[in-house]
Amino acid sequence: GAVVSQHPSRVICKSGTSVKIECRSLDFQATTMFWYRQFPKKSLMLMATSNEGSKATYEQGVEKDKFLINHASLTLSTLTVTSAHPEDSSFYICSAGTTLYNEQFFGPGTRLTVL
Amino acid sequence: AQSVTQPDIHITVSEGASLELRCNYSYGATPYLFWYVQSPGQGLQLLLKYFSGDTLVQGIKGFEAEFKRSQSSFNLRKPSVHWSDAAEYFCAVLLDSGGYQKVTFGIGTKLQVIP
Repeated sequence: GAVVSQHPSRVICKSGTSVKIECRSLDFQATTMFWYRQFPKKSLMLMATSNEGSKATYEQGVEKDKFLINHASLTLSTLTVTSAHPEDSSFYICSAGTTLYNEQFFGPGTRLTVL
Repeated sequence: AQSVTQPDIHITVSEGASLELRCNYSYGATPYLFWYVQSPGQGLQLLLKYFSGDTLVQGIKGFEAEFKRSQSSFNLRKPSVHWSDAAEYFCAVLLDSGGYQKVTFGIGTKLQVIP
């Protein structure tokens, strides 16, 4: 299957700083990338959907100014958590999709801890 | 709106025993259905998927699932559980509408395997 990577796998930062997480589709061109957040012992919640070259579509309740998403190319999307706070600590997972597949391919996730 | 229900949040089985994890979905048409497994601190691994055709699908690690349209169910089964199967299992539904994709996850079922 298609491979999606995320970097970093784990990051610890101080409150008030910004953190960027990268999501890459390694062997296919992803027309759409998705960002999910997973709270402890909870399911994955879709945060936003991004299409290459256009603005991301955020789910209700997700602050677009806090979670900046850029999908600059067909193989790379980034999520920047701006002015991070401890409540932003979570597991963030990206996925990539294409019109060729009725399926999304998931990255391994990034564990963010904000001190 | 599509929804996915996993009625069992936590299941404990003995090693070697059979396993069935339940999943019900709500969607107007036949959806694309998935089962994922997640080990602690890890990303999602696809176990199996159903798009169309044979309603009994085989997956990796000895898992299978059966799509029952009349019951709107897609239950995951394994005839003999191994200790390494202990993990969190997520059922998911993908909506694909004119190239727009959205995945909805169930809340997850945590599987504990006892010796």
